[in-house]
Amino acid sequence: DAEITQSPRHKITETGRQVTLACHQTWNHNNMFWYRQDLGHGLRLIHYSYGVQDTNKGEVSDGYSVSRSNTEDLPLTLESAASSQTSVYFCASSDRTGRYNEQFFGPGTRLTVL
Amino acid sequence: AQSVTQLDSQVPVFEEAPVELRCNYSSSVSVYLFWYVQYPNQGLQLLLKYLSGSTLVESINGFEAEFNKSQTSFHLRKPSVHISDTAEYFCAVSFNNDMRFGAGTRLTVKP
Repeated sequence: DAEITQSPRHKITETGRQVTLACHQTWNHNNMFWYRQDLGHGLRLIHYSYGVQDTNKGEVSDGYSVSRSNTEDLPLTLESAASSQTSVYFCASSDRTGRYNEQFFGPGTRLTVL
Repeated sequence: AQSVTQLDSQVPVFEEAPVELRCNYSSSVSVYLFWYVQYPNQGLQLLLKYLSGSTLVESINGFEAEFNKSQTSFHLRKPSVHISDTAEYFCAVSFNNDMRFGAGTRLTVKP
C-alpha cells in the first residue's frame, strides 16, 4: 500500500545545530507539504513543492529550507535550530491531477530543541 | 485568501450524547471543505469532504457535516459519540493548491 513515512519520529537537538527531517511518499504524488503543529495554532504551512526542483515558501518559512530532487522525497532542514522550532512536524502529499486537493499525512516528527 | 475558524478549542461530552464541532470559513471564491481527525500520537486522517453536490456529507463512522454557503459554515455532527471518538478534529478549506487549517477542536468523550 502507498504511504508517507517520516523519520525520525522523535528528535532532540541543541540550539544552533542543523537538523534534517525526512519525508518519503510512495503515492507518486506531485505535491508535497511540510507543516508544523503547535497548540492553539493548528497546522501552519512551512514549505511546499509542486514537483521536482520546485519549492515554495509557506506561512512560517523563516529558518527552514527544503529541496526536491525526486518525486518521493522532500527533506526539511532547520539550518540553525532554535527553541522556537520545538514542535511536531507533519509532511503531507497530494496528487496534482486530483482537483480536490485531499492531502495525505505522515505520522509526524516530534522535535525538541534544547 | 481563505481562512478557517473553529469556534471551540475543546468540547467535552458524555458517551452516547450528540456533538457538534463548529467551523466557519471565509473566502471570496468557491472552496472545497474538509474535516480531518487526529488520534493521539498519529497524523491527520481525512474524515469527510465537501466538493460539490449534496450539501450533507457523511463519513463511514457516523459523522456528518453540512455545507451552508449563506452562513459560510461546515459544522461537524454526530448523534451519538463513543469513547473512541476522542481525538482532535481539524476543519480545512482548499482552493487550487492552497489548503488552510483551523486551530483544531479537541473532542473528549467521557464515560
